[in-house]
Amino acid sequence: NAGVTQTPKFQVLKTGQSMTLQCAQDMNHEYMSWYRQDPGMGLRLIHYSVGAGITDQGEVPNGYNVSRSTTEDFPLRLLSAAPSQTSVYFCASSRTGLVFRNEQFFGPGTRLTVL
Amino acid sequence: GDSVTQMEGPVTLSEEAFLTINCTYTATGYPSLFWYVQYPGEGLQLLLKATKADDKGSNKGFEATYRKETTSFHLEKGSVQVSDSAVYFCALMMDSSYKLIFGSGTRLLVRP
Repeated sequence: NAGVTQTPKFQVLKTGQSMTLQCAQDMNHEYMSWYRQDPGMGLRLIHYSVGAGITDQGEVPNGYNVSRSTTEDFPLRLLSAAPSQTSVYFCASSRTGLVFRNEQFFGPGTRLTVL
Repeated sequence: GDSVTQMEGPVTLSEEAFLTINCTYTATGYPSLFWYVQYPGEGLQLLLKATKADDKGSNKGFEATYRKETTSFHLEKGSVQVSDSAVYFCALMMDSSYKLIFGSGTRLLVRP
């Protein structure tokens, strides 16, 4: 099992550019989510999905879009990057159900810089 | 709203010293509590968890006890190693939710 994989590892964008951060998992997990990590603020939930075709907003969704067409993939789209989106982005996944939600697996992260 | 407060770091210790990282929470119900660890350049890994009051989570020599009366989940280890140097995050999850609410993280540096 590769677990949760994220690409790219690093990315530099100019203000206004668009890009997609990729996240994939090979554990057949129904639940997937995106967090951003900023200094002194811990991780904050951006968007999440409980299965293919179902997505919902988290705590800080503005400026980001997601879709879930397959169980394995959960891409995060920045339509028009802003310097405030400079951060480290983590994808996480777990099985659904009361017991399984307590064990979420995180990817290695994507470090994004917006100039 | 629900939140987690951790002691600010960095915490610098010598090898074999005793470690405590404080964590307190505010929640409207009875959350599950977690400690995650982030080693340099890596993602987060679940270190330990506790799902109800008085539960003790333990892993790799680390322990934390869910204290409802003090709304705390302090992380402890009796003898730290250089390899324990990392950032430690306390987090909670409410019933019927998958959302993890994280504290700001505490960086631990262990010197030989």
